[in-house]
Amino acid sequence: QSALTQPASVSGSPGQSITISCTGTSSDVGGYNSVSWYQQHPGKAPKLMIYEVSKRPSGVSTRFSGSKSGNTASLTISGLQAEDEADYYCNSYTSTSTLLFGGGTKLTVL
Amino acid sequence: EVQLVESGGGLVKPGGSLRLSCAASGFALSDFSMSWVRQAPGKGLEWVSSISSSSSHIYYADSMKGRFTISRDNAKNSLHLQMNSLRAEDTAVYYCGRENGGGRPTDFWGQGTLVIVSS
Repeated sequence: QSALTQPASVSGSPGQSITISCTGTSSDVGGYNSVSWYQQHPGKAPKLMIYEVSKRPSGVSTRFSGSKSGNTASLTISGLQAEDEADYYCNSYTSTSTLLFGGGTKLTVL
Repeated sequence: EVQLVESGGGLVKPGGSLRLSCAASGFALSDFSMSWVRQAPGKGLEWVSSISSSSSHIYYADSMKGRFTISRDNAKNSLHLQMNSLRAEDTAVYYCGRENGGGRPTDFWGQGTLVIVSS
C-alpha cells in the first residue's frame, strides 16, 4: 500500500498560520475518521498532536487543529512559533486494519 | 509515568535474525494494543506491526509479513518483535508505541532502538 501523500515541505513566518495536507483514498483517509498527526523533532521520538481527525491529546497546544474533507486530511498550525519547526506525519487506519503513514512534511519557521 | 524502553537493536548480517524487546511501565499493558514503527536513516515513519491487548488480533505491513513476528507478554509487561531474513532495507530505528483509541493512534512512544543490517 502506498504512503499517504504529504507536501515535502512548508514554511511560514512566526505568528502566521500554515496547513499541511494529507491525501489518501476511500480505503483509508476518506473511509474513516481515524487520521492522526505526529510531530517529530530531529533525533527524537514522534509525538501525537491530533487523533481521530480533530481531537487534541491533553497538553497539546490549541494552536494545532485538524480537519478532513473527502480523502484529504489537514493539519493547521496557527500562530507559528519557532519550536513548531519539525517534521510532521499523518497516519490513517485502513480498510485492512493496518496503519499507513504519510511521507512526512518538513516545517520551516522563517 | 508511562515509559516504553526498547532494547535488542544492533548490527546483524543480511539474512540474519534479531529480537527486539520493549519494556513497558506506568500503565497496565494488558489494557492496550501495542505497535512497532520504524524509521530508516533520513526517511519517514513506517508502520511495521500491531498486536491487540490479548494478542487475538495481529497485523503486519505487507513488506514485513512472513519475516517479522510480533508478540507480547502482559505478565512481564513486555512487547517483542522477532525479525528474520533481515535485509539492508530493514536498517532503521525501531520504535515501540502504545495504541490508544479509535483508529489506533500511538499516544506514547519509546526512544527507539537502532537496527543495522550490513555485511
